[in-house]
Amino acid sequence: AQSVAQPEDQVNVAEGNPLTVKCTYSVSGNPYLFWYVQYPNRGLQFLLKYITGDNLVKGSYGFEAEFNKSQTSFHLKKPSALVSDSALYFCAVSALYNFNKFYFGSGTKLNVKP
Amino acid sequence: DTEVTQTPKHLVMGMTNKKSLKCEQHMGHRAMYWYKQKAKKPPELMFVYSYEKLSINESVPSRFSPECPNSSLLNLHLHALQPEDSALYLCASSQTRDPNTQYFGPGTRLTVL
Repeated sequence: AQSVAQPEDQVNVAEGNPLTVKCTYSVSGNPYLFWYVQYPNRGLQFLLKYITGDNLVKGSYGFEAEFNKSQTSFHLKKPSALVSDSALYFCAVSALYNFNKFYFGSGTKLNVKP
Repeated sequence: DTEVTQTPKHLVMGMTNKKSLKCEQHMGHRAMYWYKQKAKKPPELMFVYSYEKLSINESVPSRFSPECPNSSLLNLHLHALQPEDSALYLCASSQTRDPNTQYFGPGTRLTVL
């Protein structure tokens, strides 16, 4: 079975500080990992994905994520947070790349304060 | 054009009403999706269409009826809904060769009275 855990319901960070949003996964086989962001009253936006290759993946809006196989983690990071980064972040996993269904985590609300 | 549009933005309906949600994309994507999202929860997949054919139905009650009339349009017909069906309904699309990179619409906020 595939699953994703986001252990923090909420993350608070000051503007300009680095941010990390945590995600751990459980899959049988190779994991395909994704981050999506949802701004208030909006649909989800794709940020980045890990399929294979370099463990550090760079995505939109200055975000990056590090795939760590030994710790089964795929934490989202940004060196310097902006107030406009405040949103709901979802990690997702798929056991097969070419497959329509993937599993979302419960979401982490990121609050960036000025 | 990388936009998925959904209409209406808000919908209030009674339990005996029949209504439809509409979704449109012009990115040439041949996979389209309906999700249901309750407040502060992740989206839950309802239906997947691939090349205008229903490929996944996640055991959704029959009061929800999807329709894909062509490669750009996706509808969700609603009939005899329950108050617990109140939620944000999201439409998404993707290339069939890259189904996990999905483009989402802004959603329709549905309230069932």
